[in-house]
Amino acid sequence: EVQLLESGGSWVQPGESLRLSCAASGFTFYNFALSWVRQAPGKGLEWVAAISGGGATRYYADSVKGRFTFSRDNSNNMLYLHMDSLRADDTAVYYCARVGTGGSHYFDHWGLGTLVTVSS
Amino acid sequence: SYVLTQPPSVSVAPGQAARISCGGDNIESKSVHWYLQKSGQAPVLVVHDDSERPSGIPERFSASNSGNTATLTISRVEAGDEADYFCQVYDMKSDHVLFGGGTRLTVL
Repeated sequence: EVQLLESGGSWVQPGESLRLSCAASGFTFYNFALSWVRQAPGKGLEWVAAISGGGATRYYADSVKGRFTFSRDNSNNMLYLHMDSLRADDTAVYYCARVGTGGSHYFDHWGLGTLVTVSS
Repeated sequence: SYVLTQPPSVSVAPGQAARISCGGDNIESKSVHWYLQKSGQAPVLVVHDDSERPSGIPERFSASNSGNTATLTISRVEAGDEADYFCQVYDMKSDHVLFGGGTRLTVL
């Protein structure tokens, strides 16, 4: 069974940094691209970043480019999202999601999410 | 940048069909995916690549994509189908993933 489990969400002040983790199991990790998707309270889904199976290729939403870094550890089946210069509008539940096969970039499995609150 | 437009809400009586639209410029040229999200839960994929249902998703969920509109149809709606529904595409020009704003389905 595919499982994705996020952790690391917390309350931080504007300008601070935070690292989210996502532990994956139940599939051949390095064969799949993965993404982070976030959801602000009461709002819709917003894609944040994607990383290829090998980790060499990464894409970021314009709203986080230059502040967030997405990485993966294929030896330990882990994903990481390092977030710098956090702002109030980064407040959201952050989900890690597996990209399905076929190239059309859909998300076939999601974690339960971890809450990040940025506030003074 | 590419924009996906969904109606904020759709209401339907139990047993009827619900249709949720997702508008975008020449959206038929893209693969559209659909998710449902029940209150307090993570999203769940219900349709990918315009009309493909993942295993475990009931046949009552179907979808199409033509012209400037993709449509998710839920036939014989049940109370348990109440959720927010989101469409999603991948924009190859920008290498970005885009979501529609979401549609809240209310079962009357």
